[in-house]
Amino acid sequence: AQKITQTQPGMFVQEKEAVTLDCTYDTSDPSYGLFWYKQPSSGEMIFLIYQGSYDQQNATEGRYSLNFQKARKSANLVISASQLGDSAMYFCAIFNQAGTALIFGKGTTLSVSS
Amino acid sequence: DGGITQSPKYLFRKEGQNVTLSCEQNLNHDAMYWYRQDPGQGLRLIYYSQIVNDFQKGDIAEGYSVSREKKESFPLTVTSAQKNPTAFYLCASSPRQGIHEQYFGPGTRLTVT
Repeated sequence: AQKITQTQPGMFVQEKEAVTLDCTYDTSDPSYGLFWYKQPSSGEMIFLIYQGSYDQQNATEGRYSLNFQKARKSANLVISASQLGDSAMYFCAIFNQAGTALIFGKGTTLSVSS
Repeated sequence: DGGITQSPKYLFRKEGQNVTLSCEQNLNHDAMYWYRQDPGQGLRLIYYSQIVNDFQKGDIAEGYSVSREKKESFPLTVTSAQKNPTAFYLCASSPRQGIHEQYFGPGTRLTVT
C-alpha cells in the first residue's frame, strides 16, 4: 500500500531564506503522482505542485520546486525566498493504487520569521 | 467564480445526534471526496464518489454516510454511530477519476459534546 512519510514536525526559517521540506514515499506502483499542499491556519488546502512518476524534469511552480529523486523515493519541496505568508502546514500526498484518492503524510509546520 | 463551498464553517452538536455537512461544487467535476483531519494529523479518506448515484467507502467510513444525487452536491452525514466525530472535515473534487489535482473546500469544523 502507498505511504507518505514526513519526518519534520516543524521547521523554522527567516524571511528570504530557502527551505526544504522532506517527503519520502512508498509504493509498488510504477505509475504514480505526488502532490504538495499548503494548509494555512484558516484550514483550506491549497495545491502547490505536482510531480508525475514518469516526468523527466523536476516540477517548478514559481517559488516552489520539487526535488524528485525516484531511486530514493523522495519528493522534497523547496521554497525559495521564504515569505511571512508561507507560514503554514505543508502536506505531501500520493494517489492510492486504485487512483481513487490521495494518501497524505502527517505534515510539516513551517514558521517564517522576519 | 468556480469553486467548492462547505457550510457551515463551524458546527456544534450534542452527542447522539446525526448531523449533515454540506459540500457543493460548480467546477463540473465528476469526482468528489470527503476527508477527515484530526489535530496534528494528515487527511484521511471517508468516502468518495466518481459519478452521480455511485459512491465508495474510504479508509474510515464507519459511522458516516453520503449521497450523490446531483453532480454538484456530495453531502456527508455524521451519524451517532461515529465514536469520535469531533474533527475538521474537508470536501474535495477533481475533474474525473485518476491522478488529478484535487480542489478543496474551506472545511467544516465539527464539535460534538
